[in-house]
Amino acid sequence: DTGVSQDPRHKITKRGQNVTFRCDPISEHNRLYWYRQTLGQGPEFLTYFQNEAQLEKSRLLSDRFSAERPKGSFSTLEIQRTEQGDSAMYLCASSPRTSRSSYNEQFFGPGTRLTVL
Amino acid sequence: QKEVEQDPGPLSVPEGAIVSLNCTYSNSAFQYFMWYRQYSRKGPELLMYTYSSGNKEDGRFTAQVDKSSKYISLFIRDSQPSDSATYLCAMILLTNAGKSTFGDGTTLTVKP
Repeated sequence: DTGVSQDPRHKITKRGQNVTFRCDPISEHNRLYWYRQTLGQGPEFLTYFQNEAQLEKSRLLSDRFSAERPKGSFSTLEIQRTEQGDSAMYLCASSPRTSRSSYNEQFFGPGTRLTVL
Repeated sequence: QKEVEQDPGPLSVPEGAIVSLNCTYSNSAFQYFMWYRQYSRKGPELLMYTYSSGNKEDGRFTAQVDKSSKYISLFIRDSQPSDSATYLCAMILLTNAGKSTFGDGTTLTVKP
């Protein structure tokens, strides 16, 4: 399977614990996006990378959240001191190189479902 | 008020019916308009995208964009039980590097 993969698929943690999620994009895709989706809502943008550079972060991404994409390949999203409000599906998407005036499809992974007790 | 509004449904139709799904938006600068299908506990899957105004057809699916009214639609002809899913509209500002703004989705059930 050469699609976007995410690990783990499910994570249950206690409030106050740290969690880390991993996303492996489609090979050669230079853009990688993180979104968060809560029940009954559409995905909300969190951050995106072009290669290894993190170019934009949403105001939704508090200082407890950090994302990295070392070497421009896989990415990790870490949440420190988790809160119950962090319970959501965390989606990763990747897209190939694109110019500013064109659109390239974003391919989504299956998501990591986080439950904070 | 959200930038993209979508009727959450749920919408239930008999097999073979024509389904109409709609979104409205407030930011006239949106330039690309997408429709995604999302099955339960899965990631969104792109169905179609349209640039600016106009219609686009792909098999049983037709997407329409009316920028003057800030209104987009997805029509599904000859609906099948396998079309039962949540349908999300999404929009992109080209200056935002592909960052998508999503509606909250409409849940569709097609009954055999």
